Amino acid sequence: AAGVIQSPRHLIKEKRETATLKCYPIPRHDTVYWYQQGPGQDPQFLISFYEKMQSDKGSIPDRFSAQQFSDYHSELNMSSLELGDSALYFCASSWDRENQETQYFGPGTRLLVL
Amino acid sequence: QKEVEQNSGPLSVPEGAIASLNCTYSDRGSQSFFWYRQYSGKSPELIMSIYSNGDKEDGRFTAQLNKASQYVSLLIRDSQPSDSATYLCAVFRGTSYGKLTFGQGTILTVHP
Repeated sequence: AAGVIQSPRHLIKEKRETATLKCYPIPRHDTVYWYQQGPGQDPQFLISFYEKMQSDKGSIPDRFSAQQFSDYHSELNMSSLELGDSALYFCASSWDRENQETQYFGPGTRLLVL
Repeated sequence: QKEVEQNSGPLSVPEGAIASLNCTYSDRGSQSFFWYRQYSGKSPELIMSIYSNGDKEDGRFTAQLNKASQYVSLLIRDSQPSDSATYLCAVFRGTSYGKLTFGQGTILTVHP
């Protein structure tokens, strides 16, 4: 079965640089969620999109922005990177309002800011 | 206080034993509850979902939910070394919110 695809899988950036993370949801899934997981921490919700509209917003810094495109893939744009942004970034997707809460996670992007 | 709290770990059990993982949540309006398994450096993998009070069994896994006590648990029977991972309890508050709120995770080690 197709899963959530994330790219790149690994990313190394310098402080103050920008990064773009991409997420391709499971086919037919219309909702995308972004989570950040620091070392030894639980995943923290950043932002979500349903049918290309932002549906919920968590602890996402103003330096970050995201959008969902017409093909339902999503991109997380991160600017003015800081050392503290080093983390695993997961995208999850779900489908169907009745079962929207079942979120399937992608393999993640490991971001290292030097 | 975290919205979702899990029993402190790490938890170590011998192979073949039952592992018991516990989770409490603070929001009485929470609707859906999930257990994810996460291996180090990997993504969370859905193990169980439960929506109504009682037990739900799937193979060696049993989830239990008690909304009155705001408590959800996961039992792993016949634990295997491959079950060694971090187990994350996650709570969904409703479609108006969208997000999952995770507990801090319990590290389980199953030793041969």
